[in-house]
Amino acid sequence: AQSVSQHNHHVILSEAASLELGCNYSYGGTVNLFWYVQYPGQHLQLLLKYFSGDPLVKGIKGFEAEFIKSKFSFNLRKPSVQWSDTAEYFCAVKPYAGNMLTFGGGTRLMVKP
Amino acid sequence: GAVVSQHPSRVICKSGTSVKIECRSLDFQATTMFWYRQFPKQSLMLMATSNEGSKATYEQGVEKDKFLINHASLTLSTLTVTSAHPEDSSFYICSAPLPGQNYGYTFGSGTRLTVV
Repeated sequence: AQSVSQHNHHVILSEAASLELGCNYSYGGTVNLFWYVQYPGQHLQLLLKYFSGDPLVKGIKGFEAEFIKSKFSFNLRKPSVQWSDTAEYFCAVKPYAGNMLTFGGGTRLMVKP
Repeated sequence: GAVVSQHPSRVICKSGTSVKIECRSLDFQATTMFWYRQFPKQSLMLMATSNEGSKATYEQGVEKDKFLINHASLTLSTLTVTSAHPEDSSFYICSAPLPGQNYGYTFGSGTRLTVV
């Protein structure tokens, strides 16, 4: 079975700072990778996903993530965060041939204005 | 786009009573529905997977008799929390794979259950 690890549980940044959230997964085969965001009081929204091709994936709101297969990683980045990015971020993985999504523990990001 | 409509969004019930949560797929057919539970400040934990017309598959540690899942049609899956207790208070979320291979997922807006 697959598993996902997010190393940063809480991150506090000032506006305009750069962001990188770590995500590592464990699975022996081909995977699809996702980053979701959950704003306070709202449901999960997809930020970006990787299926195949270019390992650098660009998503909404200026976020991007890089899939490094050799490191089993899919870190999320944003060059300059805004106060409105305050939310909880979840990395998720599913086997390419399956449809069961496994989530990481989440990272709570707080951006100070 | 494909949307999953989840109701109710909030429910408060007394200990010992049962609560039903519904998830309907709008504009697409959901042959599979995933049910997650999210405790405060924690991640989503998969409880069970329901498939239309067959029995649900429960994750280890999830009581089948307590969390009854029904997927009677291609557009409706329900989760019934039976004989609810305060420790069942949580945020329950359903999710369905979007049509098309590896296309992604759509999530319901969640149900916050409080058992008093």
